[in-house]
Amino acid sequence: DAGVIQSPRHEVTEMGQEVTLRCKPISGHDYLFWYRQTMMRGLELLIYFNNNVPIDDSGMPEDRFSAKMPNASFSTLKIQPSEPRDSAVYFCASSKKTGVGGYTFGSGTRLTVV
Amino acid sequence: TQLLEQSPQFLSIQEGENLTVYCNSSSVFSSLQWYRQEPGEGPVLLVTVVTGGEVKKLKRLTFQFGDARKDSSLHITAAQPGDTGLYLCAGAFVQGSQGNLIFGKGTKLSVKP
Repeated sequence: DAGVIQSPRHEVTEMGQEVTLRCKPISGHDYLFWYRQTMMRGLELLIYFNNNVPIDDSGMPEDRFSAKMPNASFSTLKIQPSEPRDSAVYFCASSKKTGVGGYTFGSGTRLTVV
Repeated sequence: TQLLEQSPQFLSIQEGENLTVYCNSSSVFSSLQWYRQEPGEGPVLLVTVVTGGEVKKLKRLTFQFGDARKDSSLHITAAQPGDTGLYLCAGAFVQGSQGNLIFGKGTKLSVKP
């Protein structure tokens, strides 16, 4: 199994531009999570999906952020327009149904907005 | 607000030393997980504990879940440079619910040869 695959690994963009982050979860995992990690705030849950349906998006900072999961093998997190304060590492994770199975994280996308 | 406090925030030790890091909350967890994160990578699950008082061992790492299920500790014996990384605890507040996994900010461990 290739694990959770995220792309791109690094993204540098100018303020105001649209940014799209991509994630392919592990096959058979029913849950997909988007996290943001910064030194100040640690790992923050942005949104999570169960069977492709968004369950909780209360962590999404504002309307500039949106996430979709059109099928079981693909999800996107979009920021439009991007701002310098969005600079962070964004992680996608997936897990099976049971709560004690743990999450499998991707390698993350390091986003820098200048 | 459900918070997980981890201590210490930073720890720098010499190879061969022992260490303990802590994870505390005012809330009761249904289960608690420990992850290790290396630079440039995502967190990797080390262990899950679910029963109050539970102790699990993973080679030189010993994980303990508090009797009241509000705290946990990770003890490393004879630390090695390969143990260097960010250690994160994460608590689940509702049994079987994936959406309520809360992460602490982590303990950044550096083991010098």
